[in-house]
Amino acid sequence: GENVEQHPSTLSVQEGDSAVIKCTYSDSASNYFPWYKQELGKRPQLIIDIRSNVGEKKDQRIAVTLNKTAKHFSLHITETQPEDSAVYFCAASIAWGGATNKLIFGTGTLLAVQP
Amino acid sequence: DTGVSQDPRHKITKRGQNVTFRCDPISEHNRLYWYRQTLGQGPEFLTYFQNEAQLEKSRLLSDRFSAERPKGSFSTLEIQRTEQGDSAMYLCASSLWQGVFSSYNEQFFGPGTRLTVL
Repeated sequence: GENVEQHPSTLSVQEGDSAVIKCTYSDSASNYFPWYKQELGKRPQLIIDIRSNVGEKKDQRIAVTLNKTAKHFSLHITETQPEDSAVYFCAASIAWGGATNKLIFGTGTLLAVQP
Repeated sequence: DTGVSQDPRHKITKRGQNVTFRCDPISEHNRLYWYRQTLGQGPEFLTYFQNEAQLEKSRLLSDRFSAERPKGSFSTLEIQRTEQGDSAMYLCASSLWQGVFSSYNEQFFGPGTRLTVL
């Protein structure tokens, strides 16, 4: 069945450094890849997403890259700040006609930004 | 608050009891999703609706679980004969699909209902 693997499970960086989280998906039909941030005790919130017809997308300090051939996608956070500390989840979905269907999530990465 | 709301936020029950959770999506959102999240894991898909129609149900979902969205607005998730393995955070999400030419629609999550089965 569909599966999304996410690495690393924990990541500790110094404030101002970059952080990279990597995911691999199994279903080649997947075409929509959102990233969610979940702070302790709070709901997941979308921070960026990418579609399969795009190789890279950037939003200020956050960027996502997609390699469809290898079925890999990655989240890049530059100039990390303490408020970036949270659990980050990648997800994959087969979306059609603009409709996102079920999201298959990775296991999460706990990012700790040390001041 | 105009976001997705869920009730109750916490539920403690004894093994074998039935429980029901409610989700109120963002107004006018026509898609509603249920996920389950256990500690240290990502949300796991359970089922989703478009309006009142249940479009997909996870193969992992036992027949003790049932979900409804009778009028295409709020939804309920019922678990019958609860087991300790059902202890988890149950998350609801909603999205607005505006037709085949619309942009991919973000799923907005609610705060979740934390279920503890003793």
